Amino acid sequence: GAVVSQHPSWVICKSGTSVKIECRSLDFQATTMFWYRQFPKQSLMLMATSNEGSKATYEQGVEKDKFLINHASLTLSTLTVTSAHPEDSSFYICSARDPQDYGYTFGSGTRLTVV
Amino acid sequence: GQNIDQPTEMTATEGAIVQINCTYQTSGFNGLFWYQQHAGEAPTFLSYNVLDGLEEKGRFSSFLSRSKGYSYLLLKELQMKDSASYLCAVRSSELSFGAGTTVTVRA
Repeated sequence: GAVVSQHPSWVICKSGTSVKIECRSLDFQATTMFWYRQFPKQSLMLMATSNEGSKATYEQGVEKDKFLINHASLTLSTLTVTSAHPEDSSFYICSARDPQDYGYTFGSGTRLTVV
Repeated sequence: GQNIDQPTEMTATEGAIVQINCTYQTSGFNGLFWYQQHAGEAPTFLSYNVLDGLEEKGRFSSFLSRSKGYSYLLLKELQMKDSASYLCAVRSSELSFGAGTTVTVRA
């Protein structure tokens, strides 16, 4: 099946700095990727839909200037958390639609801790 | 918008059967997914239903009734490694997740 690689797996950063998370489709092309955030003991909340070659679509309440998404190629989408604050500490997960079937494949997730 | 409800927690004994219910109200429906998620890890795909009825996959089965907005995931012959969170997700224009059901399997 399709494989999505996400890096880094975990990152600790200082308040006010920016962090970039990469999501790659390894054996298929993904014109659309999805970014989710998950707080402890809560479900995955869709933050934005990343579209190759065009602007991302953000869910209501998600600040587009804070969570910058770039989908410059058919295999790579990046999420940059700008001016990170402790409340941004969370588990961020990307996913892509598996072109072989109906499923969605998830990256391994990134645990972000802002101190 | 989407409204997806599932129980918060369930506990069962090793070797037993557990049924996790999921009810949903969505604007548009293009399939229902069940995912398993262990703590600190990404979700892994378990099953997909788009038509009414039961889909069986080894120890796991999933049922869907579109008219009732209802699905369940059935876990048979529970093993300790089945202790995890189980997420019900509904696809309309995008994939939306329920809050997850934490299943604890006891010896």
